[in-house]
Amino acid sequence: QSALTQPPSVSGSRGQSVTISCTGTTSDIGSSDRVSWYLQPPGTAPKLIIYDVSNRPSGVPDRFSGSKSGNTASLTISGLQAEDEADYYCTSRTSSSTLVFGGGTKVTVL
Amino acid sequence: EVLLVESGGGLVQPGGSLRLSCAASGFTFSNYKMNWVRQAPGKGLEWVSSISTSSSFIYYADSMKGRFTISRDNAKKSLYLQVNSLRAEDTAVYYCAREPTSYYGSGNYYFDYWGQGTLVTVSS
Repeated sequence: QSALTQPPSVSGSRGQSVTISCTGTTSDIGSSDRVSWYLQPPGTAPKLIIYDVSNRPSGVPDRFSGSKSGNTASLTISGLQAEDEADYYCTSRTSSSTLVFGGGTKVTVL
Repeated sequence: EVLLVESGGGLVQPGGSLRLSCAASGFTFSNYKMNWVRQAPGKGLEWVSSISTSSSFIYYADSMKGRFTISRDNAKKSLYLQVNSLRAEDTAVYYCAREPTSYYGSGNYYFDYWGQGTLVTVSS
């Protein structure tokens, strides 16, 4: 099972919007709505920010939104803030009932 | 408060074995599917394995099959990962993670709580 494909880095100024793509195949993202996103500040455990493509857990700001089209999922951060600087990972259920992560994207706030 | 505390990591020689543990508290452990996820230094997250509530369904990432064994003890509220024939590329922080699970035992394929991780270093 190959890792999902994410851009290594994205950047934006405070207040801007950035979008992170996550591309898989018909065996994972393309056939499942079990797509989730995590953010991981340096030296800490990951934190769930989106599940089931577009749902936010309680306490996650609505600046974070998720979507999916075909084999590609996307995470959009609107109104970028300094504290959003972190590594972001997507993950998807696969057709084998396993999980696969994306390679991760470093978000930099300029 | 939900807590997951991993232990058992450390320095191991290539070819050696290790048993990682994850102690759960603050929730009904037996009602949740559990997972191990690892992260090599400076690298991304990698899913390792999952185990259903009653241990009936166990899955591994393809690259982990054969040397990794996941298990759980619901009475002790603990999750385990046995890793044999350790290699340098197994060096990583190993996290346990809780997966929301339906009444019927089906996992939801995302992780709402993570432990702080335990570092495994494989080196001679």
